[in-house]
Amino acid sequence: QQQVKQSPQSLIVQKGGISIINCAYENTAFDYFPWYQQFPGKGPALLIAIRPDVSEKKEGRFTISFNKSAKQFSLHIMDSQPGDSATYFCAAGYTGGFKTIFGAGTRLFVKA
Amino acid sequence: NAGVTQTPKFQVLKTGQSMTLQCAQDMNHEYMSWYRQDPGMGLRLIHYSVGAGITDQGEVPNGYNVSRSTTEDFPLRLLSAAPSQTSVYFCASLSGQGYEQYFGPGTRLTVT
Repeated sequence: QQQVKQSPQSLIVQKGGISIINCAYENTAFDYFPWYQQFPGKGPALLIAIRPDVSEKKEGRFTISFNKSAKQFSLHIMDSQPGDSATYFCAAGYTGGFKTIFGAGTRLFVKA
Repeated sequence: NAGVTQTPKFQVLKTGQSMTLQCAQDMNHEYMSWYRQDPGMGLRLIHYSVGAGITDQGEVPNGYNVSRSTTEDFPLRLLSAAPSQTSVYFCASLSGQGYEQYFGPGTRLTVT
């Protein structure tokens, strides 16, 4: 039972371009939506997160857009850089965070 | 702080062998979790613990045992390894006051 669906599976973007990764969730009880970034050989690390009471959150070049009625959220990476090449996971969770459900992941490659 | 540490980094087992994956954290976090990461499947929760002496099953618990005798340590046991358990295993911890999960560097396990 896949509660968080993530697309695309892989993404190639030119340096300076915008990378967009989309996620959809099913359970309206989720109240925390993080994005994790994972480099090869490393564990995932929190990149940015949003609560359902706001529609957008921006941190530097990274922005989460959240559509509560559509049960969708997305990650936008502005001015994408080769150093952004990594796997990105969206997730949905509850207060406390330890039962977070992860999407399948998107492998991003930014061409120099 | 070392954060979350995992040992070993790599392991090869034969079918039927047993082993324990070690996980430790030095952040005094109450919550700890084990995930497995498989291509196209994202991170799936195996077992989690909300404190010393308290554990519960996650999404894919079959074939794995856990215990939590101290706040710092949360080992994962494979009693009789199967090829289907070939995966990368991540341990994570979370403060009861926060939402961010801190992941270890992972253990790559191959069962032949």
